[in-house]
This record gives sequence, structure tokens and C-alpha cells, in this order.
Amino acid sequence: QVQLQESGPGLVKPSETLSLSCAVSDYSIRSDYYWGWIRQPPGKGLEWIGTISHSGKTYYKPSLKSRVTMSVDTSKNQFSLKLSSVTAADTAVYYCMRELGGAADYWGQGTLVTVSS
Amino acid sequence: QSALTQPASVSGSPGQSITISCTGTSSDVGNYDLVSWYQQRPGKVPKLMIYEVSKRPSGVSNRFSGSKSGNTASLTISGLQAEDEADYYCCSQTISGPSVIFGGGTKLTVL
Repeated sequence: QVQLQESGPGLVKPSETLSLSCAVSDYSIRSDYYWGWIRQPPGKGLEWIGTISHSGKTYYKPSLKSRVTMSVDTSKNQFSLKLSSVTAADTAVYYCMRELGGAADYWGQGTLVTVSS
Repeated sequence: QSALTQPASVSGSPGQSITISCTGTSSDVGNYDLVSWYQQRPGKVPKLMIYEVSKRPSGVSNRFSGSKSGNTASLTISGLQAEDEADYYCCSQTISGPSVIFGGGTKLTVL
């Protein structure tokens, strides 16, 4: 059973960089799957942010591409998200997930990140 | 890159069947057989119900089925049960990026 667990600050100041990590357990990140992030603002729908392969190949949502950086650390079996220049609109529950063909079959529990001064 | 279009809400009585539509364009739903559907109960993590248009992950009830015609995908739930009450989201690969795009979500109420 693949397990994913997000970690990172729950509060980020406007204009700063949001940084999250996702630790993967019971499955090697060095697989044919992609690993990525989806977010959900409070009371709203899901938004795909992007994915990364174990070799570092990335795909980002076009409207976020200028602010998003994803990386992978195979030695720690984890991957990370950085989102720069955040505003209140970036306040959301951030989920990490495993993806293949656009389908996220395993998800972390989600972590709420609030952007506020 | 606009979101896929889903009805805001649908409802049905126990035992009935309902269908949720998901309309995109020739750049997403119409161009890829990579449509997936998620169920999200209140306060819970989304759960994958359908992938690659019509495939069910292990453990998902066969009451859930998916299909696609042109730029519109559909999720059908047969034999509605109270536990099916949730928000449902469709999702598709899209040429833009390429990346993935979600629908706005549909709230299913079991009467």
C-alpha cells in the first residue's frame, strides 16, 4: 500500500515562497509513475498543479508555471513543491499524489497552507 | 485553459441511476482517452473512481462506470446508495502544457 505524507509550514506570508515536501512510503519513487501536487482552496474545487518523474521531468499547470518548481530526492524517496510570490489566492489544502496517465491513484492526507501576514 | 464543465448538482433516489457529464474540448477530453473521475466525501481525501475513461481501480464498485463521446465524458452510478452522496470531479489530460485539467465538481445528493 503506497503511503504519501505532506509536510511543511501551515502559514506563509504574502510574497514569500511556499515549500512542501511529500514523503513516499512502501513504494519506490524510482518507478514509472509520476509524482505531483493538487490543491483545493477552502470550499472550492480541485486544481492540478503539476507532476515530476523520478528523473526530474516536470509538467506544470501553464498558469502557475512561472511560480512553480518541483524537485525529487530519490535518496530520501520524497519529492517537493515550491510556489513563489504567494498571495491569499494560494491558500488551499495541498495534496501530494501518485499519477499515471493523468489519474491520481494514491493521495496524501493533505495539508492546509494559509497565506496571511 | 478553462475548467471542464460539469453540472453543479445532480440528485437521485436510492436504487436509481444517475449520470454526471463532463464537457471539454478537442484539446482535452476529445483528444485523449485519459479522463478520470474522483469522489470526495465531505472532509475527506478525493478517491479515484474511474481512470482512462472507463477503467475501475481495484476495490471500486462496478456500480460506477465511465464513458466518453466526442468532447464529453460521463460518469454513471447505478443502484444509488446513500454512501454515494459526495462531490464528483472529472479530470482530463490537455494539450496545453501538456497538463491536466479538472472540472468544477458536481454535488450528488441521494434523496
